[in-house]
This record gives sequence, C-alpha cells and structure tokens, in this order.
Amino acid sequence: GAVVSQHPSRVICKSGTSVKIECRSLDFQATTMFWYRQFPKQSLMLMATSNEGSKATYEQGVEKDKFLINHASLTLSTLTVASAHPEDSSFYICSAAEGLGNQPQHFGDGTRLSIL
Amino acid sequence: AQSVTQPDIHITVSEGASLELRCNYSYGATPYLFWYVQSPGQGLQLLLKYFSGDTLVQGIKGFEAEFKRSQSSFNLRKPSVHWSDAAEYFCAVGGVTGGENKLTFGTGTQLKVEL
Repeated sequence: GAVVSQHPSRVICKSGTSVKIECRSLDFQATTMFWYRQFPKQSLMLMATSNEGSKATYEQGVEKDKFLINHASLTLSTLTVASAHPEDSSFYICSAAEGLGNQPQHFGDGTRLSIL
Repeated sequence: AQSVTQPDIHITVSEGASLELRCNYSYGATPYLFWYVQSPGQGLQLLLKYFSGDTLVQGIKGFEAEFKRSQSSFNLRKPSVHWSDAAEYFCAVGGVTGGENKLTFGTGTQLKVEL
C-alpha cells in the first residue's frame, strides 16, 4: 500500500521550455503533498507544501512564479517548471502524506530534469 | 528550528557484518523520526518510523532503530548486512507546524557493501 507514482521519470528539453511533473497517490488520498529538489550527492530540500484545493506554501528562496504547484485533487499534484533554464536541472521528488499530524510521507521515484 | 545530523558521509562494511548508521537530531518538542533509503536515481523508501512508545523500532528489511532522548539520537542498525543494502540512507525529523508534517532530512550516509 501507500504507492506514489511520479511521471515522467526523466525529461530532457531545451532552455525556455516549461515542464510539468505529475505526482499521484495511487491507493490513498493525500491530504498533503510535498515537492523536493535534490542536487547530486546531497540531501532533499523541501521546495513547497501543497494541500488539496488551496495555494501551495513555498519555502524561503523558492520562486513561486518559476515553480508552479497545483494540487487539484486528493490524489494529484503537479509541479510546473516555467521557462526552465540549465540551472533548474536537478532531481525533483514528490511525496504524499495521508492525513495530517504524524503521518509518514510516501515518496515517488523522482524526475530527472535536464535542461540543455 | 529542527535539524538532523548524519556524521558519516560514507560507510563501507563487509557483507554479513553488522551495521550502525548514526543520526542526531535537534527538535524543540517530541520528535517524529524516520529513516529512509534511496537507491540511485530513485525516490525514497520508508524503512521505519518512531512516533512514541517503545524506543526500539523495528522496520522493513531487517533494520531497527533506537530512539535515545538523552542523546538526541536515532541510530539505524542491522545485524547482518546484505549486498543489496548498498544505497543512500537518510534520517529525517518531522513535526507538525501549522497542521503540516514537514520533514527535515540529514545529508545522508552512503553505504557500500563489500562482498
């Protein structure tokens, strides 16, 4: 149980392209979804937290207009990297938690984004 | 602010040997503690979690961790390591802030298993 599907797993595109990444909870309803960015050989940095039907809460230093998050339903959240540039290349991982409080986060397999 | 320290960046053990990965946390209240494992190019898999109760927590794949409040530690252990355990291990501390359970991750420990 508690499966999170993230798609696509890898994206390679030209600079200036907007890229959408989907995160789905397959067998549970995710009250909260999280988006992380991971640089090579580093830890996960939380970018934003999204709750279904409300605006995402962004961490300090994360550009809201660059990283657009939509949490349209209890099973789907999307991250759109607007007008991506090479410095946006990274590994992006989503996670989903069922309910509030101390529920563990379940992670997708990540998306490797490479901007040429 | 909550924080997690994983002092060991790399650890190498022989297959069949015991393993202990260290984790120290800083948190103002009773922490929720987690260990996750990440294989290359993949997401994170939850190994085990501590919320309350018994301080020795059993997880999947034969892993266990012990919460020691006096030492602010939550070390991960396994009695006999298998080659398939080679991966990156992350300790995380969570807490409810404004109703949201945010996680703060340590920098990770890369485990290499020698055959």
